[in-house]
Amino acid sequence: SAVISQKPSRDICQRGTSLTIQCQVDSQVTMMFWYRQQPGQSLTLIATANQGSEATYESGFVIDKFPISRPNLTFSTLTVSNMSPEDSSIYLCSVLSPLGNTEAFFGQGTRLTVV
Amino acid sequence: EDQVTQSPEALRLQEGESSSLNCSYTVSGLRGLFWYRQDPGKGPEFLFTLYSAGEEKEKERLKATLTKKESFLHITAPKPEDSATYLCAVQAGTGRRALTFGSGTRLQVQP
Repeated sequence: SAVISQKPSRDICQRGTSLTIQCQVDSQVTMMFWYRQQPGQSLTLIATANQGSEATYESGFVIDKFPISRPNLTFSTLTVSNMSPEDSSIYLCSVLSPLGNTEAFFGQGTRLTVV
Repeated sequence: EDQVTQSPEALRLQEGESSSLNCSYTVSGLRGLFWYRQDPGKGPEFLFTLYSAGEEKEKERLKATLTKKESFLHITAPKPEDSATYLCAVQAGTGRRALTFGSGTRLQVQP
């Protein structure tokens, strides 16, 4: 399995500001994924981040709003830019297992509240 | 487009009362079907991956089964600590590796 550490675990931010969420994995992984979970909802994929290439964004998510960095095989960041109350969600980092890509693991999530 | 539908949305059981959660899916060539448990305020905890119809996996009081159209998570003699939201997700057999999730089943087990 992979152990994923996300920081911060929660934050309350003012509208118009930006927050960067960090995701650290205890092993080298090719693919990392960022999901959003709005209150009472299931998980929605924001983007896929591969080391050494631009992140691939899902429909409805754009790089200017959610810039992602992937500097190496164990680390990624997601920035939520120019925040509004609608961005209040849990943001989750996920990786596929290093062997075979047949298991997917999640961090504990970052609970973001925008006021 | 890959789709996952879970039912029921919520389920309340008495301790010891066995039941099943359903996950129906449509996907472009199934690579894997995943079950997770999620407690409030936490990230999803991996339970199982199923790969082909007829496959079954067990963990403590949980057993997951898979057909070509749906998966079931059977909970045998549940305990209050089994209370959580259970999420089902699929991974397509195309190049896409991200998971598509259902909306989950909120399970409450009363003592």
